[in-house]
Amino acid sequence: QKEVEQNSGPLSVPEGAIASLNCTYSDRGSQSFFWYRQYSGKSPELIMFIYSNGDKEDGRFTAQLNKASQYVSLLIRDSQPSDSATYLCAVKGGTGGFKTIFGAGTRLFVKA
Amino acid sequence: GAGVSQSPRYKVAKRGQDVALRCDPISGHVSLFWYQQALGQGPEFLTYFQNEAQLDKSGLPSDRFFAERPEGSVSTLKIQRTQQEDSAVYLCASSDRGPNYGYTFGSGTRLTVV
Repeated sequence: QKEVEQNSGPLSVPEGAIASLNCTYSDRGSQSFFWYRQYSGKSPELIMFIYSNGDKEDGRFTAQLNKASQYVSLLIRDSQPSDSATYLCAVKGGTGGFKTIFGAGTRLFVKA
Repeated sequence: GAGVSQSPRYKVAKRGQDVALRCDPISGHVSLFWYQQALGQGPEFLTYFQNEAQLDKSGLPSDRFFAERPEGSVSTLKIQRTQQEDSAVYLCASSDRGPNYGYTFGSGTRLTVV
């Protein structure tokens, strides 16, 4: 079992729709959860981080965390073609150490 | 500088050659990370520095990989006797708040071993 799992996609949504990206993790003691966006040929860019169960909103983005289910999601409202990228879920463990584990990413296509 | 700077942007090495990859983090950032990203995969952790101290090197894949940050700013990742499986993008990231708050990545160095 991978430590951080994501559906590789591609996920295709029409412009203006809500894109829903999901991630599960294996370390129940994990403390910090991140979503990064990576455009093709570019480096990852931090979108959001969340620590507590529930929702966290920032503009068109909402991160959702459910520690009991070991599940993190990212919702993108009013999706735009410029949102087309790979979205990486990342988890910082809580058992000491300093590494953040990344999933392989979900490719999102927003069709104009 | 305004962002994390990495050099060179691209590096082609012959198998068996030694390479050195440089990272210049955002000024004042205490935390510095190195990651390796293979094509189609997420970044994989290599090592972490807090100032000049290397606090975690558990991700370095072999003793051919070595990283240093002697003065707590610029860092160098050195790979000795490169192998084809070392071909990847090497990403450096820095943070002013430690590993729990996310970080800013540099543009990466794409290493191709031929």
